[in-house]
Amino acid sequence: GENVEQHPSTLSVQEGDSAVIKCTYSDSASNYFPWYKQELGKGPQLIIDIRSNVGEKKDQRIAVTLNKTAKHFSLHITETQPEDSAVYFCAGPRTSYGKLTFGQGTILTVHP
Amino acid sequence: KAGVTQTPRYLIKTRGQQVTLSCSPISGHRSVSWYQQTPGQGLQFLFEYFSETQRNKGNFPGRFSGRQFSNSRSEMNVSTLELGDSALYLCASSLEWGSSYEQYFGPGTRLTVT
Repeated sequence: GENVEQHPSTLSVQEGDSAVIKCTYSDSASNYFPWYKQELGKGPQLIIDIRSNVGEKKDQRIAVTLNKTAKHFSLHITETQPEDSAVYFCAGPRTSYGKLTFGQGTILTVHP
Repeated sequence: KAGVTQTPRYLIKTRGQQVTLSCSPISGHRSVSWYQQTPGQGLQFLFEYFSETQRNKGNFPGRFSGRQFSNSRSEMNVSTLELGDSALYLCASSLEWGSSYEQYFGPGTRLTVT
């Protein structure tokens, strides 16, 4: 079955530093990889996603890279700010009509 | 445009009871998925509905069921509640059914079973 592993489970950085979260997946048919941010008491918020026909996508301070050969994708946050503190989830695979399988989440703490 | 709404936001039930949770997708969205979130198991897929038909189902017992109405609103029902059903239940909507469409989550319903 589908499996998504996410690392690290916790990540602590100083404000202004970069943060990287990595996920690996097992289903080679996967073609859609979203990332979600969940703040306390809220539902997950879609922050960026990437499809299998591209290797990298950026949106201001956030970027996602995809390596289909190695079956992993990563979230990169640059110039971190305290408001980036949250739980981040990767998800995949989402084949043509498949469900999303989520990673276990990464608790990111950005210290001022 | 309003986001995904879920009602109620909080619910306390007793073991053995049943519960119904409601989800209204983003206007124009036709697909609704349900997830269970717990500290131990993380986010787990329950089921997905499109055009009033269940299209995908996760590995949950038959006590968990759902349906979708013609206006795309969805409900999920859990019968014979167990303590382990205590969780945050999240609904997500997408424009259509398929991999090209992003899923947007609601705030969730926090269910506590005592």
